[in-house]
Amino acid sequence: DQQVKQNSPSLSVQEGRISILNCDYTNSMFDYFLWYKKYPAEGPTFLISISSIKDKNEDGRFTVFLNKSAKHLSLHIVPSQPGDSAVYFCAASAVSYSGAGSYQLTFGKGTKLSVIP
Amino acid sequence: KAGVTQTPRYLIKTRGQQVTLSCSPISGHRSVSWYQQTPGQGLQFLFEYFSETQRNKGNFPGRFSGRQFSNSRSEMNVSTLELGDSALYLCASSEDSPYNEQFFGPGTRLTVL
Repeated sequence: DQQVKQNSPSLSVQEGRISILNCDYTNSMFDYFLWYKKYPAEGPTFLISISSIKDKNEDGRFTVFLNKSAKHLSLHIVPSQPGDSAVYFCAASAVSYSGAGSYQLTFGKGTKLSVIP
Repeated sequence: KAGVTQTPRYLIKTRGQQVTLSCSPISGHRSVSWYQQTPGQGLQFLFEYFSETQRNKGNFPGRFSGRQFSNSRSEMNVSTLELGDSALYLCASSEDSPYNEQFFGPGTRLTVL
């Protein structure tokens, strides 16, 4: 049972345009969400996070939107640059939960973003 | 600060063997998490350690085990290797919890023949 889903395995975007990566989750206990970026032959690197008490968080070109009622979050990259080409992982956790499953991030399968010059 | 290091980077084993992977976290980080990444499966949580204690374990068989030492370095062990264990094993460290920003190592690529 996949609790975090990234339904688009790949996405191609022209340089300078907006990239929108989507993520859906099923576990209503999740209250903290993160995005990681991964280049080939490297470990993932943290991009941006959002708590469930917010519906938007911005950091430079990256903005994450959270729609709790739809159990959906999205990462917007504006403008997209060729260096943004990577695999993007959405991750979720239940920070305020202390039972089984705590201290654990649940990752989606990733979306490969290609930014075309 | 030096980043998270993992050794070895590449490993080839045969079915039935066992393997030990090592992870050195960023200095001062006490939380270490391990993940398995296979093609099309994303990152699957193996376990998390903090101050030498396993706080959580993912849904993997008992052949997968780990430990953390007093200097926060961590090892994971896989016994009786199966072909399906071929994967990239990633270690990540953070100051006190995986909820904070985790810093990942480059991973160990394990191939089981």
